[in-house]
Amino acid sequence: NAGVTQTPKFQVLKTGQSMTLQCAQDMNHEYMSWYRQDPGMGLRLIHYSVGAGITDQGEVPNGYNVSRSTTEDFPLRLLSAAPSQTSVYFCATRGEVVSGNYEQYFGPGTRLTVT
Amino acid sequence: ELKVEQNPLFLSMQEGKNYTIYCNYSTTSDRLYWYRQDPGKSLESLFVLLSNGAVKQEGRLMASLDTKARLSTLHITAAVHDLSATYFCAGASGSARQLTFGSGTQLTVLP
Repeated sequence: NAGVTQTPKFQVLKTGQSMTLQCAQDMNHEYMSWYRQDPGMGLRLIHYSVGAGITDQGEVPNGYNVSRSTTEDFPLRLLSAAPSQTSVYFCATRGEVVSGNYEQYFGPGTRLTVT
Repeated sequence: ELKVEQNPLFLSMQEGKNYTIYCNYSTTSDRLYWYRQDPGKSLESLFVLLSNGAVKQEGRLMASLDTKARLSTLHITAAVHDLSATYFCAGASGSARQLTFGSGTQLTVLP
């Protein structure tokens, strides 16, 4: 039982490049979300999903795309990277419908630098 | 739109002392989360508070929730160095109960 996994752990991009951050969970949780964390700040919600085929925008969605074709996976795509997207990205899952447990679990994070 | 404010943002305390971190939120939230984050690491769940008057304790940490005052507190008893970390609270809103985080309290426990 791996919980929430994220790949890669570190990534350096040049401005304008695109990439996908991967997030996978093996807990059968219905809710998945992506956050970014900038120095000295709390986490800000980028996008979230309440189930396969259903996604919605959070507080800071511009420049990011998501899709959810399976319960397990929730990739985050950067369309054209900008230095302002330099941040640490966390994926999180919650499964209160499935398990009655309100805990929200976080992955280990991806540290992204855009030059 | 839910807003969450924590204070203080920075806290230095001596070992053995008690202190409280405050988390105020602006609109109705049917649950309140507390997390701990060590430098360079992910968030570790401490508590989920689900109802007014809820109190949970784990070791030297105790969290409480007052939904009428829209206030949660994290009380630290007899602090030890191992408690040094950043602590975040988060409220939940919207149909999917999306979490909104406070800015965090960076706690340093000095010998």
